[in-house]
Amino acid sequence: AQTVTQSQPEMSVQEAETVTLSCTYDTSENNYYLFWYKQPPSRQMILVIRQEAYKQQNATENRFSVNFQKAAKSFSLKISDSQLGDTAMYFCAFMSRNTGNQFYFGTGTSLTVIP
Amino acid sequence: NAGVTQTPKFRILKIGQSMTLQCAQDMNHNYMYWYRQDPGMGLKLIYYSVGAGITDKGEVPNGYNVSRSTTEDFPLRLELAAPSQTSVYFCASSYTGGHTDTQYFGPGTRLTVL
Repeated sequence: AQTVTQSQPEMSVQEAETVTLSCTYDTSENNYYLFWYKQPPSRQMILVIRQEAYKQQNATENRFSVNFQKAAKSFSLKISDSQLGDTAMYFCAFMSRNTGNQFYFGTGTSLTVIP
Repeated sequence: NAGVTQTPKFRILKIGQSMTLQCAQDMNHNYMYWYRQDPGMGLKLIYYSVGAGITDKGEVPNGYNVSRSTTEDFPLRLELAAPSQTSVYFCASSYTGGHTDTQYFGPGTRLTVL
């Protein structure tokens, strides 16, 4: 079974600063995808960034980037120049084609950006 | 495109009542999913479907049923509501086998069982 662990239940960061959210996962698969989703108070799940396991290059999307360490099974999210609108729950997720494209989510990290 | 839509947004049920949560997508996605999110927790997969006429159980299927008669619709049925089913329910969809497997989520349905 796949497991996703987010060890930081809550974090805070000053506006304009940088913050890193941690995620580790456990799998025996080799072909998989990793995602970070954001869930603001509106509760809608919004994709932040995705990473294919076969790609060595870390994914980036504007202020968001990941540090993907495949051997260590680590997938952290770095948010640069934090903005008040980044305040949300962030979920790390794992998906493998070999398990019917099922997603496995971590328990989330609640991020608060402080003005 | 409307994306993934869910109805209703909120619902209160009494123990033993039944209801159907509706989910529809207009992106021609083959894969559709139902999740539940309990307070302070991540999402747990209830059921998923890889195409019309095909459904499979996820992590927490007990107490629920699904059907997939069309590509667009994937309703979730609660037959005998129990307080343990109080949760927020999310429907999602994704492409299959394409260059992107991102899941697109609906806005959620908040269900309370009293």
